[in-house]
Parts: sequence; structure tokens; C-alpha cells
Amino acid sequence: SSELTQDPAVSLALGQTVRITCQGDSLRTYFASWYQQKPGQAPVLVIYGKNNRPSGIPDRFSGSSSGNTASLTITGAQAEDEADYYCNSRDSSGNHYVFGTGTKVTVL
Amino acid sequence: QVQLVESGGGVVQPGRSLRLSCAASGFAFSSYAMHWVRQAPGKGLEWVAVISYDGSTKYNADSVQGRFTISRDNSQNTLFLHMNSLRAEDTAEYYCARDLEGVVIVGYFDYWGQGTLVTVSS
Repeated sequence: SSELTQDPAVSLALGQTVRITCQGDSLRTYFASWYQQKPGQAPVLVIYGKNNRPSGIPDRFSGSSSGNTASLTITGAQAEDEADYYCNSRDSSGNHYVFGTGTKVTVL
Repeated sequence: QVQLVESGGGVVQPGRSLRLSCAASGFAFSSYAMHWVRQAPGKGLEWVAVISYDGSTKYNADSVQGRFTISRDNSQNTLFLHMNSLRAEDTAEYYCARDLEGVVIVGYFDYWGQGTLVTVSS
């Protein structure tokens, strides 16, 4: 199986831009997806594939990938973006999935 | 609208079994692959299992291989997770989630239920 590593926490001021990264060998082969989870709530898909947003997700969320690293960028963060963010991708077998370790985003 | 409602969680002793259900509505359930994902208290997300739209293909995480079985009843629009030989480390909120694409498993989870809590304790 594969591991996906994320920074544990990041904080930023309201309106600033933040890039959250996810590193893992399987990301050289497969795209990541990104999930936002607020306390006591189920996760929400915010980015999938190369850089796709589900309906209803603000365009301040974007994704990118290079080598073994996938990134989620929040441009002009809002107070409601404060949450835990998890990346996900297939593992090296291609049939299993693995979540990243998660990043807690605090908007000051 | 798409709705996924899990049930069947509760407190169970180590070594016992439990069956979780996920009732789906608001979409063509029989046309979508489905997943189970769990989250231990205060911890991160862990993928558990996937089943194809017709039930012909199933994969489990290594951590539950040989103990958990995913299944579905398309006539009842319901997904199941059969959990045997439960351990303390299986204590978690269990979520069902829909695979975004449908027939092809792409591994993007576009709709989630609210979860059902399983506590394994003597």
C-alpha cells in the first residue's frame, strides 16, 4: 500500500491564499481528490481529477499536481473555509484507496 | 436530491459481528459504485471497501481483509458492510459514500452519508 503525507496544520489570515500539499508515490500515476471536513460533519468533495470542482464548490478552490505532490489551493480564504482537509488517491495496486494524514486549516 | 443514510451502528463486544446498512435515494443506485470509509474518534479518514455498481467487483483495505465484507441489494437501494471478528481498533464512525462516475470506479466520493458509530468494547 501507499502513504499520503500532509502537513498537520496551517493558519492564515482572512483573504489570504494557502496551498495544502499531499505527497506520495502513487501521485506520480494517479490524480488526487480533496475533501473538506468540518467538526461533526461528513466530508465534502471539493476537488477531483486534474482540477475539477463539483457543483456548489466555490472557484476559490483549485487543484494541481506535479511529480509525487498534489496541491489544493484556497485563493482568498473565507472564515467558512476553516476545516480539516484530506487528500485521497489510489494506492500502488490501483484497486485500493488511501487518505492523506489531513491538514487542519485555521483562518484567523 | 441524493441521500445516503447509514444505520446499524452501536456498541459490540470484541470478536462479535455487526452489519451496517446504507439506504440510498435520489439517484439510480444500481448505476453507481459505492464505498465505505471510516474515521476513528479524533483521527483521520480511512478507506474501508468498494463495490462496483453490479456487485461483481469488490476490494477491501488490508486492515479489514478477511473480516469485513461489502455487499449491496440493488432491488432495495441498499449498501451493506458485514463486519466480523471486530476489534477495538475498528471503533469508528462509518460513512457510506457514492463513487462519482457511476459504472466505472474512479475513487472520487461525491456524496456521503452522515455516518453511524461503531464502538467495540467489552
